[in-house]
Amino acid sequence: QQPVQSPQAVILREGEDAVINCSSSKALYSVHWYRQKHGEAPVFLMILLKGGEQKGHDKISASFNEKKQQSSLYLTASQLSYSGTYFCGTGNSGNTPLVFGKGTRLSVIA
Amino acid sequence: NAGVTQTPKFRILKIGQSMTLQCAQDMNHNYMYWYRQDPGMGLKLIYYSVGAGITDKGEVPNGYNVSRSTTEDFPLRLELAAPSQTSVYFCASSSGGGFNQPQHFGDGTRLSIL
Repeated sequence: QQPVQSPQAVILREGEDAVINCSSSKALYSVHWYRQKHGEAPVFLMILLKGGEQKGHDKISASFNEKKQQSSLYLTASQLSYSGTYFCGTGNSGNTPLVFGKGTRLSVIA
Repeated sequence: NAGVTQTPKFRILKIGQSMTLQCAQDMNHNYMYWYRQDPGMGLKLIYYSVGAGITDKGEVPNGYNVSRSTTEDFPLRLELAAPSQTSVYFCASSSGGGFNQPQHFGDGTRLSIL
């Protein structure tokens, strides 16, 4: 079952914050986050596992709410380099491959 | 390090032709994947492999075949190409230990079928 990402698209000015949500209809075991710039390959950002802590590096962090079967990606003080499409990939167990959402297109403007 | 290498980068096929998309990784990863990406649809898993000699179907395997004779290589075969197979194809790999390791993607193959 494909996870649902929201919003589908968002436009930010440099320095603004954004939240991208990823929801699943099934119990989640893991959530991966990737960023893809136009015409390029997806690049890994972070993994969150069931029972794990909120993760982050620099100004990008993520949380994992097991009860809500949802993960959120937080981008603070956005930079032009944050522009791209963000994908979540969800795993329902450690033994099944990920299913990716349709993506959230983030545009940061000066 | 080269990482994951895909060839060719672009290809145009005629309906009914066949071709093989090549994927090689030099990270000694056990897990390898083939995805297709259509505009606005995210990444759809075609086939995956958890090691040499072991392959399994993903969400959208129809019209494709794979083999995994070595740890490094994971070619994707299209038989009797159809316009619906026009897409961008990504190969990815991850280290062993389940599906919860970061995936490393190749640069993609842009395939058009006319």
